[in-house]
Amino acid sequence: EIVMTQSPATLSVSPGERATLSCRTSQSVSSNLAWYQQKPGRPPRLLIYGASTRATGVPARFSGSGSGTEYTLTISSLQSEDSAVYYCQQYNNWPPVTFGQGTKLKIK
Amino acid sequence: EVQLVESGGGLVQPGGSLRLSCAASGFTFSSHWMSWVRQAPGKGLEWVANINEDGSEKYYVDSVKGRFTISRDNAKNSLYLQMNSLRAEDTAVYYCARGLLSLDPWGQGTLVTVSS
Repeated sequence: EIVMTQSPATLSVSPGERATLSCRTSQSVSSNLAWYQQKPGRPPRLLIYGASTRATGVPARFSGSGSGTEYTLTISSLQSEDSAVYYCQQYNNWPPVTFGQGTKLKIK
Repeated sequence: EVQLVESGGGLVQPGGSLRLSCAASGFTFSSHWMSWVRQAPGKGLEWVANINEDGSEKYYVDSVKGRFTISRDNAKNSLYLQMNSLRAEDTAVYYCARGLLSLDPWGQGTLVTVSS
Protein backbone atom coordinates (compact mmCIF):
# COMPACT_ATOMS: atom_id res chain seq x y z
CA GLU A 1 0.00 0.00 0.00
CA ILE A 2 1.29 3.45 -0.92
CA VAL A 3 1.46 5.81 2.05
CA MET A 4 0.67 9.47 1.43
CA THR A 5 2.15 12.19 3.63
CA GLN A 6 0.87 15.76 3.39
CA SER A 7 2.55 18.81 4.83
CA PRO A 8 2.03 21.02 6.61
CA ALA A 9 -0.92 19.80 8.66
CA THR A 10 -2.20 23.37 8.95
CA LEU A 11 -1.35 26.41 6.87
CA SER A 12 -2.39 29.99 7.55
CA VAL A 13 -2.05 32.46 4.68
CA SER A 14 -3.27 35.99 4.06
CA PRO A 15 -5.74 36.83 1.30
CA GLY A 16 -3.99 37.56 -1.98
CA GLU A 17 -0.92 35.56 -0.96
CA ARG A 18 0.19 32.21 -2.36
CA ALA A 19 -0.31 28.86 -0.60
CA THR A 20 1.88 25.84 -1.29
CA LEU A 21 0.71 22.42 -0.12
CA SER A 22 2.89 19.33 -0.37
CA CYS A 23 2.19 15.65 -0.81
CA ARG A 24 4.82 12.95 -0.63
CA THR A 25 4.21 9.32 -1.62
CA SER A 26 6.05 6.29 -0.24
CA GLN A 27 6.91 5.20 -3.77
CA SER A 28 6.56 6.73 -7.21
CA VAL A 29 2.98 7.19 -8.42
CA SER A 30 3.99 8.37 -11.90
CA SER A 31 1.83 11.52 -11.73
CA ASN A 32 -1.29 9.42 -11.06
CA LEU A 33 -2.26 11.82 -8.33
CA ALA A 34 -5.32 13.94 -7.62
CA TRP A 35 -6.10 16.82 -5.27
CA TYR A 36 -9.46 17.43 -3.60
CA GLN A 37 -10.90 20.35 -1.66
CA GLN A 38 -13.32 19.75 1.20
CA LYS A 39 -15.21 22.50 3.01
CA PRO A 40 -16.97 21.84 6.34
CA GLY A 41 -20.12 19.78 5.97
CA ARG A 42 -19.53 19.30 2.25
CA PRO A 43 -18.27 16.39 0.14
CA PRO A 44 -14.81 16.55 -1.41
CA ARG A 45 -14.49 18.29 -4.75
CA LEU A 46 -11.98 17.20 -7.38
CA LEU A 47 -9.53 19.99 -8.19
CA ILE A 48 -6.60 18.37 -10.00
CA TYR A 49 -5.97 15.00 -11.63
CA GLY A 50 -2.95 13.62 -13.41
CA ALA A 51 -0.92 15.74 -10.99
CA SER A 52 -1.42 18.92 -13.02
CA THR A 53 -4.72 18.92 -14.97
CA ARG A 54 -7.45 21.11 -13.54
CA ALA A 55 -10.88 19.55 -13.32
CA THR A 56 -13.81 21.21 -15.06
CA GLY A 57 -14.76 24.52 -13.53
CA VAL A 58 -11.73 24.82 -11.24
CA PRO A 59 -10.31 28.35 -11.18
CA ALA A 60 -6.93 28.93 -12.79
CA ARG A 61 -5.43 30.03 -9.46
CA PHE A 62 -5.26 26.34 -8.54
CA SER A 63 -2.30 24.51 -10.07
CA GLY A 64 -0.65 21.17 -9.50
CA SER A 65 2.88 20.02 -10.17
CA GLY A 66 5.35 17.33 -9.33
CA SER A 67 6.52 13.90 -10.31
CA GLY A 68 7.77 10.68 -8.82
CA THR A 69 7.14 10.91 -5.09
CA GLU A 70 6.84 14.69 -4.60
CA TYR A 71 3.77 16.73 -5.55
CA THR A 72 2.57 20.26 -4.90
CA LEU A 73 -0.75 22.06 -5.00
CA THR A 74 -0.33 25.80 -5.38
CA ILE A 75 -3.10 28.28 -4.84
CA SER A 76 -2.09 31.70 -6.08
CA SER A 77 -3.81 34.87 -4.90
CA LEU A 78 -5.77 33.24 -2.08
CA GLN A 79 -9.42 34.12 -1.61
CA SER A 80 -11.54 33.69 1.50
CA GLU A 81 -13.53 30.87 -0.09
CA ASP A 82 -10.34 28.79 -0.44
CA SER A 83 -10.44 28.04 3.28
CA ALA A 84 -10.82 24.25 3.37
CA VAL A 85 -9.05 20.94 3.93
CA TYR A 86 -7.10 19.70 0.92
CA TYR A 87 -6.39 16.02 0.28
CA CYS A 88 -4.07 14.33 -2.17
CA GLN A 89 -4.89 10.86 -3.53
CA GLN A 90 -2.86 8.37 -5.51
CA TYR A 91 -4.37 5.96 -8.01
CA ASN A 92 -1.22 4.49 -9.52
CA ASN A 93 -1.10 1.36 -7.38
CA TRP A 94 -4.51 0.10 -6.39
CA PRO A 95 -6.28 -1.41 -4.63
CA PRO A 96 -6.25 0.34 -2.41
CA VAL A 97 -6.59 3.88 -3.64
CA THR A 98 -5.02 5.94 -0.83
CA PHE A 99 -5.44 9.48 0.45
CA GLY A 100 -3.19 11.78 2.42
CA GLN A 101 -4.26 12.90 5.87
CA GLY A 102 -5.12 16.38 4.64
CA THR A 103 -3.82 19.94 4.98
CA LYS A 104 -6.11 22.47 6.62
CA LEU A 105 -5.78 25.85 4.91
CA LYS A 106 -6.82 28.88 6.95
CA ILE A 107 -7.16 32.35 5.55
CA LYS A 108 -5.84 34.99 7.96
CA GLU B 1 -26.57 18.07 -13.98
CA VAL B 2 -24.61 15.11 -12.68
CA GLN B 3 -25.96 14.12 -9.29
CA LEU B 4 -25.33 11.38 -6.74
CA VAL B 5 -27.65 10.98 -3.76
CA GLU B 6 -26.88 8.53 -0.97
CA SER B 7 -29.40 7.07 1.43
CA GLY B 8 -29.72 4.27 3.96
CA GLY B 9 -27.48 5.47 6.75
CA GLY B 10 -28.46 5.42 10.39
CA LEU B 11 -27.76 4.04 13.84
CA VAL B 12 -27.01 0.33 14.05
CA GLN B 13 -25.72 -1.89 16.83
CA PRO B 14 -22.33 -3.61 16.61
CA GLY B 15 -22.69 -6.80 14.60
CA GLY B 16 -25.67 -5.42 12.71
CA SER B 17 -26.23 -4.79 9.03
CA LEU B 18 -27.10 -1.84 6.84
CA ARG B 19 -27.55 -1.32 3.11
CA LEU B 20 -26.54 1.99 1.58
CA SER B 21 -27.88 3.18 -1.76
CA CYS B 22 -26.65 5.81 -4.18
CA ALA B 23 -29.00 7.12 -6.87
CA ALA B 24 -27.24 8.52 -9.91
CA SER B 25 -28.60 10.94 -12.49
CA GLY B 26 -27.40 13.27 -15.21
CA PHE B 27 -24.93 10.86 -16.81
CA THR B 28 -24.73 7.40 -18.37
CA PHE B 29 -24.36 5.41 -15.15
CA SER B 30 -23.64 2.12 -16.90
CA SER B 31 -20.50 3.59 -18.54
CA HIS B 32 -18.65 4.42 -15.35
CA TRP B 33 -16.81 2.72 -12.53
CA MET B 34 -18.23 3.74 -9.16
CA SER B 35 -16.65 3.97 -5.73
CA TRP B 36 -17.53 4.22 -2.04
CA VAL B 37 -15.33 6.36 0.22
CA ARG B 38 -15.86 6.95 3.93
CA GLN B 39 -14.85 9.59 6.42
CA ALA B 40 -14.89 8.95 10.15
CA PRO B 41 -15.95 11.94 12.28
CA GLY B 42 -13.21 14.56 12.22
CA LYS B 43 -10.90 12.29 10.22
CA GLY B 44 -9.61 11.95 6.66
CA LEU B 45 -10.86 10.07 3.65
CA GLU B 46 -10.68 6.28 3.29
CA TRP B 47 -11.49 4.45 0.07
CA VAL B 48 -13.80 1.50 0.78
CA ALA B 49 -14.67 -0.24 -2.48
CA ASN B 50 -15.19 0.15 -6.18
CA ILE B 51 -17.01 -1.66 -8.97
CA ASN B 52 -16.65 -1.68 -12.73
CA GLU B 53 -19.24 -0.77 -15.31
CA ASP B 54 -21.07 -4.09 -15.48
CA GLY B 55 -20.43 -5.22 -11.92
CA SER B 56 -18.04 -8.03 -12.86
CA GLU B 57 -15.04 -6.51 -11.03
CA LYS B 58 -15.13 -5.46 -7.40
CA TYR B 59 -12.35 -4.37 -5.08
CA TYR B 60 -12.30 -3.64 -1.35
CA VAL B 61 -10.06 -2.18 1.30
CA ASP B 62 -8.73 -4.97 3.51
CA SER B 63 -10.62 -3.81 6.61
CA VAL B 64 -14.03 -4.49 5.02
CA LYS B 65 -13.29 -7.60 2.97
CA GLY B 66 -15.73 -10.37 3.79
CA ARG B 67 -18.11 -7.96 5.55
CA PHE B 68 -19.07 -5.40 2.87
CA THR B 69 -20.40 -6.05 -0.62
CA ILE B 70 -20.57 -3.46 -3.38
CA SER B 71 -23.10 -3.92 -6.16
CA ARG B 72 -24.98 -1.95 -8.79
CA ASP B 73 -28.20 -2.03 -10.79
CA ASN B 74 -27.64 -0.26 -14.08
CA ALA B 75 -31.33 -0.45 -14.96
CA LYS B 76 -32.07 1.60 -11.85
CA ASN B 77 -28.98 3.84 -12.07
CA SER B 78 -28.13 2.79 -8.55
CA LEU B 79 -25.08 1.77 -6.54
CA TYR B 80 -25.25 -0.17 -3.30
CA LEU B 81 -23.09 -1.08 -0.33
CA GLN B 82 -24.25 -3.97 1.83
CA MET B 83 -22.53 -3.73 5.19
CA ASN B 84 -22.63 -6.71 7.56
CA SER B 85 -20.94 -7.44 10.89
CA LEU B 86 -20.61 -3.73 11.52
CA ARG B 87 -18.05 -2.48 14.03
CA ALA B 88 -17.65 0.77 15.91
CA GLU B 89 -14.76 1.67 13.65
CA ASP B 90 -17.10 1.60 10.64
CA THR B 91 -18.79 4.74 11.97
CA ALA B 92 -18.38 7.35 9.24
CA VAL B 93 -20.01 9.40 6.54
CA TYR B 94 -20.16 7.20 3.45
CA TYR B 95 -19.83 8.89 0.08
CA CYS B 96 -20.47 7.44 -3.32
CA ALA B 97 -18.38 8.87 -6.13
CA ARG B 98 -18.14 8.42 -9.86
CA GLY B 99 -14.90 6.98 -11.12
CA LEU B 100 -12.17 4.45 -10.60
CA LEU B 101 -9.08 6.64 -10.34
CA SER B 102 -9.83 10.32 -9.74
CA LEU B 103 -13.33 10.62 -8.28
CA ASP B 104 -15.78 13.19 -9.58
CA PRO B 105 -18.36 14.06 -8.50
CA TRP B 106 -19.18 12.91 -4.98
CA GLY B 107 -22.56 12.62 -3.34
CA GLN B 108 -23.47 14.47 -0.17
CA GLY B 109 -22.86 11.40 1.96
CA THR B 110 -24.88 9.37 4.44
CA LEU B 111 -23.91 8.93 8.09
CA VAL B 112 -23.53 5.45 9.53
CA THR B 113 -23.20 5.22 13.30
CA VAL B 114 -22.33 1.88 14.88
CA SER B 115 -23.05 1.99 18.59
CA SER B 116 -24.91 0.13 21.30
